[in-house]
Amino acid sequence: GNSVTQMEGPVTLSEEAFLTINCTYTATGYPSLFWYVQYPGEGLQLLLKATKADDKGSNKGFEATYRKETTSFHLEKGSVQVSDSAVYFCALNKGSGYALNFGKGTSLLVTP
Amino acid sequence: KAGVTQTPRYLIKTRGQQVTLSCSPISGHRSVSWYQQTPGQGLQFLFEYFSETQRNKGNFPGRFSGRQFSNSRSEMNVSTLELGDSALYLCASSLWGTEDNSPLHFGNGTRLTVT
Repeated sequence: GNSVTQMEGPVTLSEEAFLTINCTYTATGYPSLFWYVQYPGEGLQLLLKATKADDKGSNKGFEATYRKETTSFHLEKGSVQVSDSAVYFCALNKGSGYALNFGKGTSLLVTP
Repeated sequence: KAGVTQTPRYLIKTRGQQVTLSCSPISGHRSVSWYQQTPGQGLQFLFEYFSETQRNKGNFPGRFSGRQFSNSRSEMNVSTLELGDSALYLCASSLWGTEDNSPLHFGNGTRLTVT
């Protein structure tokens, strides 16, 4: 079946450090891939998405590229801020409608 | 525009009871989906409704059921509660229930505790 694996947290970085959160997936065919973010005390929000191979999703300085050959969708940001502290979820969607498979989430803490 | 509203925010039930959770989607949204979030299993898809029809279903036992009304509001029901049903239940809505220009908006969830 479809599944998503993402690196375990928590990840602790200093402000302005480079961020990578790894995400790999298992699925038949060509799923769409997403990163969602959950800030403290808030609901899940879509951060970025990519719907086909080699697409790059980007938002708020975050980027992720859909790599079919490595079945990966790693999240990156060149310079993190304290306000980026949150839990990040990688997810895939396959088929019609919305039936997301989520990874377990990676907690990120950015310190000043 | 109001976001996705879930009621109640917190619930405490006893094993063996049943519970109904409610979700009001963003106005105009026709797709509503439900997820269970636990520390051990993470976020797991329960079901999705579009225009009152269940379109997708996750791998949960038949004790978990849902429905959608003509105004797109949705309810999910869990019968014969078990301790393992303790979780945060998230509802999400989207305009058309497709990925193209119809992002998913999540509510803040209902925290269910089964004792």
